[in-house]
Amino acid sequence: GAVVSQHPSWVICKSGTSVKIECRSLDFQATTMFWYRQFPKQSLMLMATSNEGSKATYEQGVEKDKFLINHASLTLSTLTVTSAHPEDSSFYICSALKQGMGEQYFGPGTRLTVT
Amino acid sequence: DQQVKQNSPSLSVQEGRISILNCDYTNSMFDYFLWYKKYPAEGPTFLISISSIKDKNEDGRFTVFLNKSAKHLSLHIVPSQPGDSAVYFCAARPGGYGGATNKLIFGTGTLLAVQP
Repeated sequence: GAVVSQHPSWVICKSGTSVKIECRSLDFQATTMFWYRQFPKQSLMLMATSNEGSKATYEQGVEKDKFLINHASLTLSTLTVTSAHPEDSSFYICSALKQGMGEQYFGPGTRLTVT
Repeated sequence: DQQVKQNSPSLSVQEGRISILNCDYTNSMFDYFLWYKKYPAEGPTFLISISSIKDKNEDGRFTVFLNKSAKHLSLHIVPSQPGDSAVYFCAARPGGYGGATNKLIFGTGTLLAVQP
């Protein structure tokens, strides 16, 4: 199998606070994990590529100081939304790459609502 | 610049009939294509993929066709079942099967509704 989990599945926070989202590969090791966000009725947009033990690679237009990514182990990557604002409200999805496989396996997503 | 396009936002099909979902791409560097199925508030689930060295790949009820000259791919589901109702995303990337660390570009999705 190739199961990816995310925690929490949904979170509501106040503007100005920080929120951490965890992405775990449960039954395989993932040297590479990806973070996406999806706005309603829109496509998945890649935010950053996270490699174990090294700095994440951010896509153009994504603020690395706002969206902190840590990939400290082969099974865990975290995304921290710092000083969240209402416009950060979105559905955040991670995926993990299983070594030797050509497909990314996606987590169930985290719904973030900033009030 | 939308490099992967799904021009039909929605599709309605009768149970038992064929569903055909279309996808077009513009970047000639793309050589590996994937289809994902997604339910609301869930992550995408991988369905089927195809490399540019092929023009067809089949897996059970799902078949993907690739027309490289037209930069077009399609997903056929036959027979369609009510449980197939979901949003279907096509995605593309360069690097072939081994280029899994390369950026995956998603289309905007097509909502498939299979009527019982």
